[in-house]
Amino acid sequence: GAGVSQSPSNKVTEKGKDVELRCDPISGHTALYWYRQSLGQGLEFLIYFQGNSAPDKSGLPSDRFSAERTGGSVSTLTIQRTQQEDSAVYLCASSPRPSGREFNEQYFGPGTRLTVT
Amino acid sequence: SQQGEEDPQALSIQEGENATMNCSYKTSINNLQWYRQNSGRGLVHLILIRSNEREKHSGRLRVTLDTSKKSSSLLITASRAADTASYFCGYGGSQGNLIFGKGTKLSVKP
Repeated sequence: GAGVSQSPSNKVTEKGKDVELRCDPISGHTALYWYRQSLGQGLEFLIYFQGNSAPDKSGLPSDRFSAERTGGSVSTLTIQRTQQEDSAVYLCASSPRPSGREFNEQYFGPGTRLTVT
Repeated sequence: SQQGEEDPQALSIQEGENATMNCSYKTSINNLQWYRQNSGRGLVHLILIRSNEREKHSGRLRVTLDTSKKSSSLLITASRAADTASYFCGYGGSQGNLIFGKGTKLSVKP
């Protein structure tokens, strides 16, 4: 079956512009995660959705970042007034079951490489 | 920070040699997972080891877990050039997310 897909694969934008990143999780996966990876760094957790709900948004780096998920499927991560420090690869992952005591395998998309000039 | 750590940061070996990577974590876990990343793109799940397991094998991969030391190791035997990638361990965060370190960058030379 199809894996997690993300679009666009690459995005170059000017400082101050808004960008929208999209994630299509694996069909039926209820849990969806956004991570950010700066050059040569590990993955920084941004936000988690269980269905359409994000219980905790404290991982988002600033109030310029927002995310939503509709229909328990597609999610968009929006960055307003982009800054150069927002340049990174943004990775989306989905998982078949809600978070609980057992942390499940996560299926990652190929990522969106965002460059803010 | 809850961020784990992989060690070494970089490892360069010849094809056919074994590669060992280590991971330390900071919280109690119910499982720990290893992932592979090619060229800064998406991560691919390799293996999951539960907290009540001490060792697990999958093909050329061998993972060990020592919960008393909060550490895990990934051994790749008989490495191939195609194993060149970055390897991350991940363990459970408070929201079901995974907490990753900075990874070990493995280079296998033919």
